[in-house]
Amino acid sequence: GEDVEQSLFLSVREGDSSVINCTYTDSSSTYLYWYKQEPGAGLQLLTYIFSNMDMKQDQRLTVLLNKKDKHLSLRIADTQTGDSAIYFCAESGPNAGNMLTFGGGTRLMVKP
Amino acid sequence: DTGVSQDPRHKITKRGQNVTFRCDPISEHNRLYWYRQTLGQGPEFLTYFQNEAQLEKSRLLSDRFSAERPKGSFSTLEIQRTEQGDSAMYLCASRTSVGQETQYFGPGTRLLVL
Repeated sequence: GEDVEQSLFLSVREGDSSVINCTYTDSSSTYLYWYKQEPGAGLQLLTYIFSNMDMKQDQRLTVLLNKKDKHLSLRIADTQTGDSAIYFCAESGPNAGNMLTFGGGTRLMVKP
Repeated sequence: DTGVSQDPRHKITKRGQNVTFRCDPISEHNRLYWYRQTLGQGPEFLTYFQNEAQLEKSRLLSDRFSAERPKGSFSTLEIQRTEQGDSAMYLCASRTSVGQETQYFGPGTRLLVL
């Protein structure tokens, strides 16, 4: 079945850039997403990219997609302490109502 | 507030009891999804509805789980004879079936089975 993998943990200093990486296996993925989850809360959609794009920028967020290697990354510029959270990569394909398949999440810790 | 809402936010129950959760999607969204998230993991798909029709169920959805969306608006997820392994966050999401591809999530219902 489909699989989405992320590294578990990332620690950066406030003001630095953060790069969170994700790999996926489903070649029929149509959209790839980044969600943010703060403790005890639901999922907040940060951004998404269509599979025929290779880059998308939205304010401090830059998404890069390497479809050949099935690699997705999220870069957060000028990381702030409020960015500390768990970040989930997810993909959707044409099956099961475009259900989302999530990675295990990357915990981002921002040190002041 | 026109976001996805879920009720209750927290539920503590004893093993063997039945529980029911409710999800109210964004009003114009005809697709509704249920996911389960266990501690330290990403959410996993359980089932989805298009309007009132339940179109897909994951193998994670055992016979003790049942979901309904009788009028194509709110949905309920019932777990019968709860087990400790059912302890998790249950997340609901909704979206339209055409155009916009993004699912919007509710705050979740955290279930603890003692």
